[in-house]
Amino acid sequence: AQSVTQPDIHITVSEGASLELRCNYSYGATPYLFWYVQSPGQGLQLLLKYFSGDTLVQGIKGFEAEFKRSQSSFNLRKPSVHWSDAAEYFCAVAPNRDDKIIFGKGTRLHILP
Amino acid sequence: SAVISQKPSRDICQRGTSLTIQCQVDSQVTMMFWYRQQPGQSLTLIATANQGSEATYESGFVIDKFPISRPNLTFSTLTVSNMSPEDSSIYLCSAGVDRGRAGYTFGSGTRLTVV
Repeated sequence: AQSVTQPDIHITVSEGASLELRCNYSYGATPYLFWYVQSPGQGLQLLLKYFSGDTLVQGIKGFEAEFKRSQSSFNLRKPSVHWSDAAEYFCAVAPNRDDKIIFGKGTRLHILP
Repeated sequence: SAVISQKPSRDICQRGTSLTIQCQVDSQVTMMFWYRQQPGQSLTLIATANQGSEATYESGFVIDKFPISRPNLTFSTLTVSNMSPEDSSIYLCSAGVDRGRAGYTFGSGTRLTVV
């Protein structure tokens, strides 16, 4: 069965610093991969997705993610974080394009001023 | 991208009662899903709402507790039956946009508190 692991429950970075959130998946074939963000009391917003092609994916709000098949990873990055990036970040995987998606447990990002 | 309207946005219910949550998508979608997000937790898939047939439930979720309807390609309901305080969660509806090509859109959720 497919699964998603986000090994970091909490991450704290200083404003202006770079960010990398880790995500590993377990699935036989290349799955469809997503990163979502959930701000406190808000709904889920799709940051970016990977289906195929270029393994470096650009998303909204200055985020990018890189798919590495050899490592079964899809890590999220941002070169310089802003205080408004403080939120919960979820990595998710789907076996097919129009199929149910399974979420990781999330990483809560804290930003130091 | 598609917009999902979900209602009610929140409710406080007495234990033993039932609540029906509605999910309306502004365009036709093939796949609709219902998730539960318990306090401080991630999203757990309850079921896939199939148009014109019975929903497909994930392990740990049963139709008697969470009956789902999907009468057409834009609308679905989830009922939380015979509620207990353990059902206090956020319930979210999701749909695959453009058959998933544009990702999955989520409703803003229904925050349910059972007292």
